[in-house]
Amino acid sequence: SQTIHQWPATLVQPVGSPLSLECTVEGTSNPNLYWYRQAAGRGLQLLFYSVGIGQISSEVPQNLSASRPQDRQFILSSKKLLLSDSGFYLCAWSGGGTGELFFGEGSRLTVL
Amino acid sequence: AQSVSQHNHHVILSEAASLELGCNYSYGGTVNLFWYVQYPGQHLQLLLKYFSGDPLVKGITGFEAEFIKSKFSFNLRKPSVQWSDTAEYFCAVNRYSGGGADGLTFGKGTHLIIQP
Repeated sequence: SQTIHQWPATLVQPVGSPLSLECTVEGTSNPNLYWYRQAAGRGLQLLFYSVGIGQISSEVPQNLSASRPQDRQFILSSKKLLLSDSGFYLCAWSGGGTGELFFGEGSRLTVL
Repeated sequence: AQSVSQHNHHVILSEAASLELGCNYSYGGTVNLFWYVQYPGQHLQLLLKYFSGDPLVKGITGFEAEFIKSKFSFNLRKPSVQWSDTAEYFCAVNRYSGGGADGLTFGKGTHLIIQP
């Protein structure tokens, strides 16, 4: 069966520091991969998605970037964090044309 | 891209009460519709989905949703809620007509609290 893992689960970082959140999927090949941010009262906002290695689509201009160095690995990064980057980040994958998403456990980022 | 509206952001009910959470999406064409649930301390998981066929779909733990194309709606219902239904509920639709890899658009969520 397919599984998705995100880490770290929680992260506290100072303003201006770098960020790296990692997501891996097991049990499937060539998944579509997604990064969402969840904010209280605002639902889930799509940040990036990828349909293959090295292919990244950015949905929201911001201080973050994404990379897909391997088929089942998706990384969310920042060179210098802002206070507004605080939030709950969710990685997800899908395997077919229906769009159904399967989510990881999430990573809670606090920028101080 | 599609947009999704959830009408109730906070709902408080007593156990055994009936539940209906509203969800509307912005335009027609081929839509795939979803309800996701996030229980306290747990990850987001699929509650039910509609792709085609019978517009009344049934999910886990007694939930159901009805797709009404003429109203652009996909409301979630449960005839008798339990304390364990306390969670946040998200309605979602494929971002572009016809599905695809572009991801889902989510509503802002409804925080449901069931009082014993």
